[in-house]
Amino acid sequence: GENVEQHPSTLSVQEGDSAVIKCTYSDSASNYFPWYKQELGKRPQLIIDIRSNVGEKKDQRIAVTLNKTAKHFSLHITETQPEDSAVYFCAASMLGQAGTALIFGKGTTLSVSS
Amino acid sequence: GAVVSQHPSRVICKSGTSVKIECRSLDFQATTMFWYRQFPKQSLMLMATSNEGSKATYEQGVEKDKFLINHASLTLSTLTVTSAHPEDSSFYICSARDISGTAYNEQFFGPGTRLTVL
Repeated sequence: GENVEQHPSTLSVQEGDSAVIKCTYSDSASNYFPWYKQELGKRPQLIIDIRSNVGEKKDQRIAVTLNKTAKHFSLHITETQPEDSAVYFCAASMLGQAGTALIFGKGTTLSVSS
Repeated sequence: GAVVSQHPSRVICKSGTSVKIECRSLDFQATTMFWYRQFPKQSLMLMATSNEGSKATYEQGVEKDKFLINHASLTLSTLTVTSAHPEDSSFYICSARDISGTAYNEQFFGPGTRLTVL
């Protein structure tokens, strides 16, 4: 089955700096890679996602890149703000009628200090 | 966007009792729902895939006789933790796939249920 590795486990940055979180996956059949932000005691919130037919996607301060050959994808947050502090999870799955569940990385705790 | 609800949001029970958690898709039909468990400061771990009208598929290491899943309709899946023990205390989150509309087949998460077993 799918296995997702995520690094780093913790990341501390100064406000305004960039933050990068990296993930690798094992199953070449996976074709959907979302990123979630989770605050304590709450459900994960989708912040951005990418499909395997796209190499990069950007939404304001957030971008995701995907290297399908190397089976890794990364989350980039620019101009970080204190409210970006949370736990971030990458995930991988397969879309479609026979689609699979999301398999999550272990998470990255991002701390943005002002 | 699509809404998934869970009930109850919090439950405290005595060791040995059973607890039922409901997961509902409020504005879409979900032929597939997923149940995750999250221990403190850990990731979401997939427990089982719930398919409407058929038996659930459990992940390795998850006891199907302990975690009973019923997906009787296109909008409701239930997880029953039987003979609960303190080590079952966790945050249980369901998600549902909406395959009818969006191209991405995004999964929508419920708000989670905090189970504490005394």
